[in-house]
Amino acid sequence: EAQVTQNPRYLITVTGKKLTVTCSQNMNHEYMSWYRQDPGLGLRQIYYSMNVEVTDKGDVPEGYKVSRKEKRNFPLILESPSPNQTSLYFCASSLFYRGAQNQPQHFGDGTRLSIL
Amino acid sequence: AQKVTQAQTEISVVEKEDVTLDCVYETRDTTYYLFWYKQPPSGELVFLIRRNSFDEQNEISGRYSWNFQKSTSSFNFTITASQVVDSAVYFCALSDPMDSSYKLIFGSGTRLLVRP
Repeated sequence: EAQVTQNPRYLITVTGKKLTVTCSQNMNHEYMSWYRQDPGLGLRQIYYSMNVEVTDKGDVPEGYKVSRKEKRNFPLILESPSPNQTSLYFCASSLFYRGAQNQPQHFGDGTRLSIL
Repeated sequence: AQKVTQAQTEISVVEKEDVTLDCVYETRDTTYYLFWYKQPPSGELVFLIRRNSFDEQNEISGRYSWNFQKSTSSFNFTITASQVVDSAVYFCALSDPMDSSYKLIFGSGTRLLVRP
């Protein structure tokens, strides 16, 4: 089954304790992205990756890091989490190739992070 | 600047009523893509439709239909004969192929409650 898998689904942690949210897709998609969802704001892009070893900042990258060492995986790293990073996080992936940009993005089930 | 506005924060209807969710977008580009996503209470994001700016034909899929009007920069979504399972938050989103991030710009969402 084609899917984007995020782990963990829920996490409560404390300020300053490094954490990683994993994201894996089995569709051989080139493009992957992280969004955060906050009430009244919709979803905003944190980081994106066009392919292996190619990553770039989205609209709200402060406090986050990513890596793309393999095509299927795109982990989101919070080196020193703070309460304002409490949010619902989504990983997404899509096909990308010249002439077929802006394909529908397939989303994972979300990770709810609470930073105390 | 690009923006998506979903002015209806919450809509409540009785089962079998028709309901229209409004989406108004802003962009200076002539080529762009519009999307609708559904977020049921379980939290995942489900892709519903993608439309490019050159295709103004309305689309129908079962009880769902979409009305794209470039003249008013709107991409409205109608559910006919609503059902309780349609209860969800619905997001409209815009994507610009000239934006190298290929991010989705989301509206703030409309929460639809269908009462039995």
